[in-house]
Amino acid sequence: GAVVSQHPSRVICKSGTSVKIECRSLDFQATTMFWYRQFPKQSLMLMATSNEGSKATYEQGVEKDKFLINHASLTLSTLTVTSAHPEDSSFYICSARSLGNAGNTIYFGEGSWLTVV
Amino acid sequence: KQEVTQIPAALSVPEGENLVLNCSFTDSAIYNLQWFRQDPGKGLTSLLLIQSSQREQTSGRLNASLDKSSGRSTLYIAASQPGDSATYLCAVAPSGGYNKLIFGAGTRLAVHP
Repeated sequence: GAVVSQHPSRVICKSGTSVKIECRSLDFQATTMFWYRQFPKQSLMLMATSNEGSKATYEQGVEKDKFLINHASLTLSTLTVTSAHPEDSSFYICSARSLGNAGNTIYFGEGSWLTVV
Repeated sequence: KQEVTQIPAALSVPEGENLVLNCSFTDSAIYNLQWFRQDPGKGLTSLLLIQSSQREQTSGRLNASLDKSSGRSTLYIAASQPGDSATYLCAVAPSGGYNKLIFGAGTRLAVHP
């Protein structure tokens, strides 16, 4: 079964509104989670690294005020797309590595489709 | 800047064929390399992980090789089946930043009966 769960799997929102996507590790504690974005037929691009109890680390070109990341517990990270626009429509996917793991196995969630209309 | 390229971008084969998917990366300073499978609209499933010190890994009908010095990896699929149809992604973890995976654009594989 899935060890990393994302919710919602699909969401449609109106332009200008905000939407929150959750990423949960089900069988392990994750001090670090990762948020990726994937446009159709393109590769995954790392957006940010979510660190439990501290600020997220954003990749170059990713607006931290637009993509708010919160990692309040060892099993949950959330990505909030603020003031969404149609160009934010994409497939968002998270991953996590288990606490104590050297990073050799990273588990991915099922992804969340965001459509902004 | 690390860049990962996968060739071919798409592949359509009849069932039973043996396949080779290619991945190349520009910076040989990697921690490991992973091959993933992604079904349409779904998340990723890790297939094989090769540490930088390793040359290959095998799992069932899958075999992945790594030539770090030349910046290349191949995924070999033996006796392909329709259920193998998916997108196969190659990702490298840079040395010193092993959590940050850099992905290729993938190879879309279709295996028809």
